[in-house]
This record gives sequence, structure tokens and C-alpha cells, in this order.
Amino acid sequence: AQTVTQSQPEMSVQEAETVTLSCTYDTSENNYYLFWYKQPPSRQMILVIRQEAYKQQNATENRFSVNFQKAAKSFSLKISDSQLGDTAMYFCAFSNSGYALNFGKGTSLLVTP
Amino acid sequence: GAGVSQSPSNKVTEKGKDVELRCDPISGHTALYWYRQSLGQGLEFLIYFQGNSAPDKSGLPSDRFSAERTGGSVSTLTIQRTQQEDSAVYLCASSVGGGKDTQYFGPGTRLTVL
Repeated sequence: AQTVTQSQPEMSVQEAETVTLSCTYDTSENNYYLFWYKQPPSRQMILVIRQEAYKQQNATENRFSVNFQKAAKSFSLKISDSQLGDTAMYFCAFSNSGYALNFGKGTSLLVTP
Repeated sequence: GAGVSQSPSNKVTEKGKDVELRCDPISGHTALYWYRQSLGQGLEFLIYFQGNSAPDKSGLPSDRFSAERTGGSVSTLTIQRTQQEDSAVYLCASSVGGGKDTQYFGPGTRLTVL
């Protein structure tokens, strides 16, 4: 079974600063996919970024980037130039070539003025 | 285009009653998923549909839970004889296909069982 661990239940960052959210996972698969989803108070889960395990290059989406360390089974999310609208729960998720997403417990991020 | 929609947004019911939760996936998405989000258990996978078929129902917590999908589109999750531990947010997602395709989520239905 695959497990996803997010070791930081809560984090806080000041507006315009950079913050990194940690995620580690455990799998015996070689081909898989990793995701970061954001869930604001509205409950809507929004895809932030996606990484294919076979790609060496770290994924980037505007202010969001990942540090994917396959050997270490680590997948951290860096948010640059944090904005108040980034305040949300962030979930790391894993999927092999099947279908179900395995989620971590989440990290609650608060961006302060 | 329209995203995944779910109804109702909130549902309050009494213990022992049956409830139906509805999901409208993104048009053209063949795969549909149900997850449950609760404080104690986090996000749990419930069931997956490819077209109208459910190859994997292993996540359904008990035989009180059932789901169907018709016309390769709308899905209904039914909980019979609701219990207080069924209180949670039920999230639906859809993807173009299964496997590696990104899942897009709806806003969820918050179920409260009194």
C-alpha cells in the first residue's frame, strides 16, 4: 500500500515571502504521479501542480514549484511571493497507474499581511 | 467549460434515514470518483467509475453505501440507514480517462447526521 506523509500540520508565512511544504511517500512502484491540491474554505479542491515520476525536471506553475527527489521519495511544494489568497489546506497526493488518489493529512497554510 | 458540480451543497438528516448525493462530472470525462473527507480519517477513496461500470468498490465503508452512474455521466451515492459516523464531506471528482489523468473535484456535499 502507498502512504503519503505530510509532517507539517500547520504553517504560517508572511505575504510576499517564500514557504515550502513537505511531503514524503512510500511506494514500490516505479511509475506514478504526484499532485499538490489546494483546498480553501470553500471546500473546492483545486489542482496546484502535478509531477510525473518518470520526468527528471521539477514541475513549475507560476509561483508554485516542486522539489521532486525520487530516490528519497520526497515531493515538496515551494510557494514564492506568497499571497493572502494562498491561505488554504494543501494536500499532497499520490497515484500509481491505477486510479485512486492517496492523500496526505494536509498542511494548513496561513498567509499573514 | 463547467466544472464538476455536486448537489446538495449541504445535507442534514436524522440517524436512520437514507440520503442521496449527486455528482455531475465535467462533460466528456469518462472516469468518476467519490471520496469522503472527515476530520478523523482525512480523505478516503470510496469508489471509481469507468463509464457506467465500477471496477473497484473496495473503498465503500459498508453495505449501507452504494453508488451508480448512468449514461456515462451523472452519479449518485446513496447511504442507507445513516449513522452519525457517516457525517463528512463527500467529494466527487472526474477525469478524462483513468490512471494518470488529473482528477478535477467538485465543491463537495457536507453531510451531517443528527
